[in-house]
Amino acid sequence: DSGVTQTPKHLITATGQRVTLRCSPRSGDLSVYWYQQSLDQGLQFLIQYYNGEERAKGNILERFSAQQFPDLHSELNLSSLELGDSALYFCASSGPSAETQYFGPGTRLLVL
Amino acid sequence: EDQVTQSPEALRLQEGESSSLNCSYTVSGLRGLFWYRQDPGKGPEFLFTLYSAGEEKEKERLKATLTKKESFLHITAPKPEDSATYLCAVPGKDTGRRALTFGSGTRLQVQP
Repeated sequence: DSGVTQTPKHLITATGQRVTLRCSPRSGDLSVYWYQQSLDQGLQFLIQYYNGEERAKGNILERFSAQQFPDLHSELNLSSLELGDSALYFCASSGPSAETQYFGPGTRLLVL
Repeated sequence: EDQVTQSPEALRLQEGESSSLNCSYTVSGLRGLFWYRQDPGKGPEFLFTLYSAGEEKEKERLKATLTKKESFLHITAPKPEDSATYLCAVPGKDTGRRALTFGSGTRLQVQP
């Protein structure tokens, strides 16, 4: 158990819909990262927040957004969903030195 | 652009048959090379971080080594429970060395 929690574990929705994925980092970690893992793309970085502020952006679509709240939990919002958005979404957290990232169990999203 | 290439893509071993997985990287100013283990449908589990050429780290049947161009994950006398996908990653330049750039992984299957 990495100490990173994610909810929900599974999510099934339809195209055009909007969903919110939630992540709670390890106790004391200020950084939260979101990654997407699909069969054909592997693990791809989406976005990072540090203590409530956006720090780095990867290949995140404009339909996706994220935020980190004062209690340090983070939410990833996915809107206007397409079939191709079906994937595993992972959250990771790291400490102040921003070195080792610890991953949560993931949310499996299926868009029908 | 940073690149991380893992080989082989898949490896099938008999229980007790030792082998090595390779991770080659093209990174200017390496700030650590990370190894993770990922079971199907689960989040990546942190194994090791290596920072400088010649460094070695061990954990049970696994030993990771680092040179200036590649890293090896040596598996000694593997057991069926070592079956997983092994991922290596480096802090990516395009995210200010904050987020990880992952290789595509090596799927290891250890048969009893």
